[in-house]
Amino acid sequence: EAGVAQSPRYKIIEKRQSVAFWCNPISGHATLYWYQQILGQGPKLLIQFQNNGVVDDSQLPKDRFSAERLKGVDSTLKIQPAKLEDSAVYLCASSLGLANTGELFFGEGSRLTVL
Amino acid sequence: AQKITQTQPGMFVQEKEAVTLDCTYDTSDQSYGLFWYKQPSSGEMIFLIYQGSYDEQNATEGRYSLNFQKARKSANLVISASQLGDSAMYFCAMRGSYIPTFGRGTSLIVHP
Repeated sequence: EAGVAQSPRYKIIEKRQSVAFWCNPISGHATLYWYQQILGQGPKLLIQFQNNGVVDDSQLPKDRFSAERLKGVDSTLKIQPAKLEDSAVYLCASSLGLANTGELFFGEGSRLTVL
Repeated sequence: AQKITQTQPGMFVQEKEAVTLDCTYDTSDQSYGLFWYKQPSSGEMIFLIYQGSYDEQNATEGRYSLNFQKARKSANLVISASQLGDSAMYFCAMRGSYIPTFGRGTSLIVHP
């Protein structure tokens, strides 16, 4: 079974530039998550999708971050314009559904450095 | 709301010894799941073990066991017979009716 795919693995940009990250979840997984993990901290949820609908985006800085999952499969997370404090690893995860018994499966992450 | 607290920023253990990583949680949910993940220096998050709030027995997966004390709202991870490859960050997480929430993590270093 193929895992969660993310790209790019690494990205270096200057502040005020834009960046986009892509995620393809495990086949059949209805729920998709984007987490931000700043160095030395635990993952913080940015947005959670169920199929192509948003379940929670309360911690997404909507003035600069956007995410979509148009066909209920893969997803894109965009940052525009980037700030220095956006330097982090962006983790995509998926799960079968919303049930609290199922673990999240994570991709390898996209490491963003903002200069 | 729900909250996960991991109070140990770092832990050291001798190879082949057992180690306990602490996790306490707070939630108003009656039904929830507790998880532990391992994050090596390479960055991927690896699922280790799951405990449901209604499970009466503590979960075990190989060398990993979860010491679940519901009344105290704790879900400590016990790693038996530590190996050098166990050196990593360990995160406690919870799923309930709220968004999946992670703790700040504990860095485990296994000494030869």
